[in-house]
Amino acid sequence: SYVLTQPPSVSVAPGQTARITCGGNNIGSKSVHWYQQKPGQAPVLVVHDDSDRPSGIPERFSGSNSGNTATLTISRVEAGDEADYYCQVWDSSSDHYVFGTGTKVTVL
Amino acid sequence: EVQLVESGGGLVQPGGSLRLSCVASGFTFSGYSMIWVRQAPGKGLGWVSYISTSSSTIYYADSVKGRFIISRDNAKNSLFLQMTDLRAEDTAVYYCARHGGGTTVFDSWGQGTLVTVSS
Repeated sequence: SYVLTQPPSVSVAPGQTARITCGGNNIGSKSVHWYQQKPGQAPVLVVHDDSDRPSGIPERFSGSNSGNTATLTISRVEAGDEADYYCQVWDSSSDHYVFGTGTKVTVL
Repeated sequence: EVQLVESGGGLVQPGGSLRLSCVASGFTFSGYSMIWVRQAPGKGLGWVSYISTSSSTIYYADSVKGRFIISRDNAKNSLFLQMTDLRAEDTAVYYCARHGGGTTVFDSWGQGTLVTVSS
């Protein structure tokens, strides 16, 4: 089955840039989506189809995808960005949706 | 505004059954595929099942195939998950989510309902 690997944690100072990676075999050939989840809340979509932002999501959130790694970048990090972040793809070879292992972003 | 409201969670003994419901509003429910996702306490997100608009295409995660059944009633704007032979490892918050049209994204989520499998 298809596996997506994320770093367990990323720490960043306010105003700096956080980069969260999502590794998978030839993930660059798939559409990658990113979700933010704050404690006790449902996930919220922040980036879809590699690099598109839903309405209402700040421009500080951006995404890229190439080769074996997709990346979610959060620029000018704010305290309110502290959350868990998950990547997600559709694996057509198994007809399964797959989530990454999740990354906890801590704002120092 | 898109709203998804889950219900039906609770405490059930191992081997028992439970039926989850998700009522949708704020969009044309019959025009969207739907998804169930779960999250065990302190763990990450896990996809459970997918159903297309007309129920003609259904997928399950390997861990629930043969035990869970997804269904929908477009006339009642409702999505269901019938869970049988429940195990301790099925303990989780279960979310319903809307599948984005023309893409593989889950663009709106409910608040979830907690299922606890324990004796």
